Amino acid sequence: QSVLTQPPSVSGAPGQRVTISCTGSSSNIGAGYDVHWYQQLPGTAPKLLIYANNNRPSGVPDRFSGSKSGTSASLAITGLQAEDEADYYCQSYDSSLSGSRVFGGGTKLTVL
Amino acid sequence: QVQLVESGGGVVQPGRSLRLSCAASGFTFSSYGMHWVRQAPGKGLEWVAVIWYDGSNKYYADSVKGRFTISRDNSKNTLYLQMNSLRGDDSAVYYCATEGPYNISSGSGGLDVWGQGTTVTVSS
Repeated sequence: QSVLTQPPSVSGAPGQRVTISCTGSSSNIGAGYDVHWYQQLPGTAPKLLIYANNNRPSGVPDRFSGSKSGTSASLAITGLQAEDEADYYCQSYDSSLSGSRVFGGGTKLTVL
Repeated sequence: QVQLVESGGGVVQPGRSLRLSCAASGFTFSSYGMHWVRQAPGKGLEWVAVIWYDGSNKYYADSVKGRFTISRDNSKNTLYLQMNSLRGDDSAVYYCATEGPYNISSGSGGLDVWGQGTTVTVSS
């Protein structure tokens, strides 16, 4: 059981908007710690998609955005494209686990 | 270009040891905290360990504490993971990754550069 909870799967048609939630607790997201998001295409290493809640690394399209409120965070993808089909993971820090970074269980995005 | 290349994976019997390496290039390795993250077959990402830029602090996931040791040699631009007393549930692809800058109050930085991974299979 992951410390951060994500839905196992989401889906959407090309051009649509989808969101992926990441629910934590008072020892991680709720404590104000930053949330980062990663995209993992099949058979490849993860790629940083959003850092520090709502910042995009250079080269990441602005179709991807992040937000955080209370004990949860969300990743939004607008203008869905076939190439967005991948696994998405949230990650944060948890103060109850010494030095620990924690990942969500991952969400499989299917583009219909 | 910025690159991380893992090596050292393979098939090992339960209870044995293995050492993974992660060779860094294209950036100032000694300035960055480094992580190991693993992914079991068909499963999600699991954080394993972190070492600060100067090696002064190291932290581990409970699942590997006491069995795995993270270390680095900044003169060789290389990160290591010594894995002892290996178990079947340690079988995974192991990735090394750099951590971007962050404020202490933020808790962590994003893992912004990843290697391609090296596969560890623990089996008799």
